[in-house]
Amino acid sequence: EAGVTQSPRYAVLQEGQAVSFWCDPISGHDTLYWYQQPRDQGPQLLVYFRDEAVIDNSQLPSDRFSAVRPKGTNSTLKIQSAKQGDTATYLCASIGTEVFFGKGTRLTVV
Amino acid sequence: LAKTTQPPSMEAYEGQEVNVSCSHTNIATSEYIYWYRQVPHQGPQFIIQGYKDYVVNEVASLFISADRKLSTLSLPWVSLRDAAVYYCIVRGYAQGLTFGLGTRVSVFP
Repeated sequence: EAGVTQSPRYAVLQEGQAVSFWCDPISGHDTLYWYQQPRDQGPQLLVYFRDEAVIDNSQLPSDRFSAVRPKGTNSTLKIQSAKQGDTATYLCASIGTEVFFGKGTRLTVV
Repeated sequence: LAKTTQPPSMEAYEGQEVNVSCSHTNIATSEYIYWYRQVPHQGPQFIIQGYKDYVVNEVASLFISADRKLSTLSLPWVSLRDAAVYYCIVRGYAQGLTFGLGTRVSVFP
């Protein structure tokens, strides 16, 4: 089966710029997660969806971050005004019998 | 949500068996134990999961103590490709995966 696809693979921004990350989960997987992984740390859950509904976004910095999954398939994570502290890899995962991760988007904010 | 405790790092030579322990003293009866590994520039990759006793697949084996508070991931005959960060996670149905710091396994030729 095809894996979880994320784009872009890399992004470099100046503080204050906006960026969007895109995730295409495995077909038929109704649950999708977004994680933030700072360097040398484990992934930290930001938000997760079941179909198009947000199940838990308590860890999402709501003033600058937003996530949508309008048709219950692809998802977009957006940072409105990036800060240096947002520098991390952003991982998308979809859930079937196992949890499958994409390769992530590595974001650097300078 | 149960938390896990793992050693921060381990070292081994190629061909050795590596056993990575994980403590999950507050695991709930509804929760399963998962192990993932992550190499640089890749997302975490599923290795094995279990609920109790002993589980084995083509990659690894997983032993879970009778009280389910401790699990051990066993990697037989490690190679350089097995160098990674290994994460032990407990998860209940419909819950997200909560990662700790993991165990960094280094493999030397």
